[in-house]
Amino acid sequence: AQSVTQPDIHITVSEGASLELRCNYSYGATPYLFWYVQSPGQGLQLLLKYFSGDTLVQGIKGFEAEFKRSQSSFNLRKPSVHWSDAAEYFCAVGPNQAGTALIFGKGTTLSVSS
Amino acid sequence: EPEVTQTPSHQVTQMGQEVILRCVPISNHLYFYWYRQILGQKVEFLVSFYNNEISEKSEIFDDQFSVERPDGSNFTLKIRSTKLEDSAMYFCASNPTVGAGEQYFGPGTRLTVT
Repeated sequence: AQSVTQPDIHITVSEGASLELRCNYSYGATPYLFWYVQSPGQGLQLLLKYFSGDTLVQGIKGFEAEFKRSQSSFNLRKPSVHWSDAAEYFCAVGPNQAGTALIFGKGTTLSVSS
Repeated sequence: EPEVTQTPSHQVTQMGQEVILRCVPISNHLYFYWYRQILGQKVEFLVSFYNNEISEKSEIFDDQFSVERPDGSNFTLKIRSTKLEDSAMYFCASNPTVGAGEQYFGPGTRLTVT
């Protein structure tokens, strides 16, 4: 079955500290992977995506993610967290085919402490 | 930068009533989607739409739901007789035929069924 697992429901990080959010997937075909962020009361904003090529991808707001096929993982990282990064983060997987559903993880809520 | 818009931002309705949620996808996009997110849960796919017909739908998208592209810009989701369990955030998304897989989400409509 196709699924996305985000093992951490809630993470608290000090401002300025590094961050890693975990994502594991189960997908039959070559996956196309995404990280979205949702701030309170807002929609889903695409942070970054992986389709092919370099397995380390850069996104907006200083985020990056690394695709590891052997571990079926696509973890999101940021070297120095800012208070404005507090939000909910969703990992998603889908095929490279328009019209097909994205499958989302349950999300990880990030809190940033000062 | 073009974006997906949704109206209303919040809708309250009584159980059994019909509701229509509206979306204006990005103008040059051809694939449209509805997702929902029940409070505290993951984002779930409902339906995708292309060329005036449904491309794919989930088991959630039963006969109570319908979608329509009534004109060249709007994309609507109708729930015929709302139930308490339809209370959720509903997201519209779109993507172009090229670069398939990356979906652009609107800010969502929060539907509250009382």
